Amino acid sequence: AQRVTQPEKLLSVFKGAPVELKCNYSYSGSPELFWYVQYSRQRLQLLLRHISRESIKGFTADLNKGETSFHLKKPFAQEEDSAMYYCALNPLPNAGGTSYGKLTFGQGTILTVHP
Amino acid sequence: KAGVTQTPRYLIKTRGQQVTLSCSPISGHRSVSWYQQTPGQGLQFLFEYFSETQRNKGNFPGRFSGRQFSNSRSEMNVSTLELGDSALYLCASSRDTYNEQFFGPGTRLTVL
Repeated sequence: AQRVTQPEKLLSVFKGAPVELKCNYSYSGSPELFWYVQYSRQRLQLLLRHISRESIKGFTADLNKGETSFHLKKPFAQEEDSAMYYCALNPLPNAGGTSYGKLTFGQGTILTVHP
Repeated sequence: KAGVTQTPRYLIKTRGQQVTLSCSPISGHRSVSWYQQTPGQGLQFLFEYFSETQRNKGNFPGRFSGRQFSNSRSEMNVSTLELGDSALYLCASSRDTYNEQFFGPGTRLTVL
């Protein structure tokens, strides 16, 4: 079974400060990791996925298989980054039927960026 | 292109009733997944449909069921509603199983 843990329920930073949202996972195989974001009164949307290795809105995340972590980082937080952030895991295709269409989510971290 | 749509957006039912929720995926997407979101349990996977076949199911009782039509639209049904079924039900579509999932706005179900 897979599990995703986001240890911080709430995270507050000031504008311009660095921010790191932590995500740890447990899964015996090779996973694909995602960060989803939900802004106020908007639907859940993909922020980034580890296989694309992109930087979206200044955010980056590196998959550390040794530490089983996928922390989300941004060097200079902006007020518009305030939102709920979810880390999610999907087993890679060779995992077979139990992986179809199933994202396992962490509990989420509410990020507040103060002016 | 139009995003994932879910109807109705809000629903109030009483215990023992049944409910059907609908999800229209993005055009061309064949995989539809359903999730239940509650403050206590967070986002939990219900099931996934692809080409009218349920291929994966989460740990929910048999009262929760679903189906997918030939146009990829999907419905989920909850029978014999319980107070604990009150939640936001999200559906997500993707082009194929391992592509990005696009989420709908959700249906807020309240069971009284």
